[in-house]
Amino acid sequence: AQSVTQLDSHVSVSEGTPVLLRCNYSSSYSPSLFWYVQHPNKGLQLLLKYTSAATLVKGINGFEAEFKKSETSFHLTKPSAHMSDAAEYFCVVSEPGQSKLIFGQGTTLQVKP
Amino acid sequence: DVKVTQSSRYLVKRTGEKVFLECVQDMDHENMFWYRQDPGLGLRLIYFSYDVKMKEKGDIPEGYSVSREKKERFSLILESASTNQTSMYLCASSLQTGGGNQPQHFGDGTRLSIL
Repeated sequence: AQSVTQLDSHVSVSEGTPVLLRCNYSSSYSPSLFWYVQHPNKGLQLLLKYTSAATLVKGINGFEAEFKKSETSFHLTKPSAHMSDAAEYFCVVSEPGQSKLIFGQGTTLQVKP
Repeated sequence: DVKVTQSSRYLVKRTGEKVFLECVQDMDHENMFWYRQDPGLGLRLIYFSYDVKMKEKGDIPEGYSVSREKKERFSLILESASTNQTSMYLCASSLQTGGGNQPQHFGDGTRLSIL
């Protein structure tokens, strides 16, 4: 059965410092993996997706994530945090042929001035 | 850009009322989904539909029903609203492909309060 675990429920960084949001997944097959961001009182916006092409995936707003099969990880990074990055981030997995997505519990990113 | 529009951002209803939440997408997507989002519980799938007049139960369908009469519109119905259905409701849509997986595109959500 597929599942996804976000290892931190809350991450706090200072503006201009790197961001690391950690995600591990469990899947019987080669999964598709996504990161979404949700700003307060808004829906979820797709940041990036991995679908078995390049293992390093670049997304919007300077975010990127690296798929590591040996570690079953898909961590999200950004070199320099901006105040506007403060939001909740969801790591999501699905299996081939499946329309349903499995969501992690979310990580709240706080960015301090 | 894909646009998923939920008819109301905020809604207040009374216990026992029949409540309709509407969702429309403009990208001819086959799949549509309804989730509820609660603090500490994340997103939970209520129902989804992969074609007109087709529906599948998600993880928490009790107390809800859905309707998909047209491809672009997916309605969530609370048959008899209860206070434990106070929540943020999110609609999403996606393409249906046989190979790789398509991301879901979300609306801005409806914050529903049942008094």
